Amino acid sequence: AQSVTQPDIHITVSEGASLELRCNYSYGATPYLFWYVQSPGQGLQLLLKYFSGDTLVQGIKGFEAEFKRSQSSFNLRKPSVHWSDAAEYFCAVDRDDKIIFGKGTRLHILP
Amino acid sequence: DTAVSQTPKYLVTQMGNDKSIKCEQNLGHDTMYWYKQDSKKFLKIMFSYNNKELIINETVPNRFSPKSPDKAHLNLHINSLELGDSAVYFCASSQWGNTEAFFGQGTRLTVV
Repeated sequence: AQSVTQPDIHITVSEGASLELRCNYSYGATPYLFWYVQSPGQGLQLLLKYFSGDTLVQGIKGFEAEFKRSQSSFNLRKPSVHWSDAAEYFCAVDRDDKIIFGKGTRLHILP
Repeated sequence: DTAVSQTPKYLVTQMGNDKSIKCEQNLGHDTMYWYKQDSKKFLKIMFSYNNKELIINETVPNRFSPKSPDKAHLNLHINSLELGDSAVYFCASSQWGNTEAFFGQGTRLTVV
């Protein structure tokens, strides 16, 4: 079945440390790929997206993600996290004109 | 300016009641969606409408009935509410063919 997998339910990093959130998808073709962030009590905000072209995409808030076709992955990275990055992060793919979300990764930031 | 707005933000109601959640977008998009986020944060699509026509209807109880009076609005009506309907419901919109979706702030529904 086509799916989006975020293997880490929780991740804790220290403020200022680097971050990588993993995402794998199971899909026949190269899908459109997204990362969304949900801050406490907030709606979903698009961080970045990949449709085609350069496999390293830059997003808002200093985030980037790299599409690796061979690994069916679209991992989210940030070189130095800030306390305000604590949130729930969702990887998503477009399938048949609807967005399918992973189960999310909760990011905790240690002071 | 709020691009996608949902009302109410919080809704607490008793089992068996009927309630509606409203959604409006001012982005000029022609496609709107409803997603349900359960207690484990899992987001699942429920419906999508394109130009006021139902496009996607996932396996959702028929107690849930979306209504789109125009392209800018997609309301969700729920009959005979059950405890299991407690969740956060997100509205979203996009332009058909462009899968970047914009989400509302969510409506937290609590059925008691």
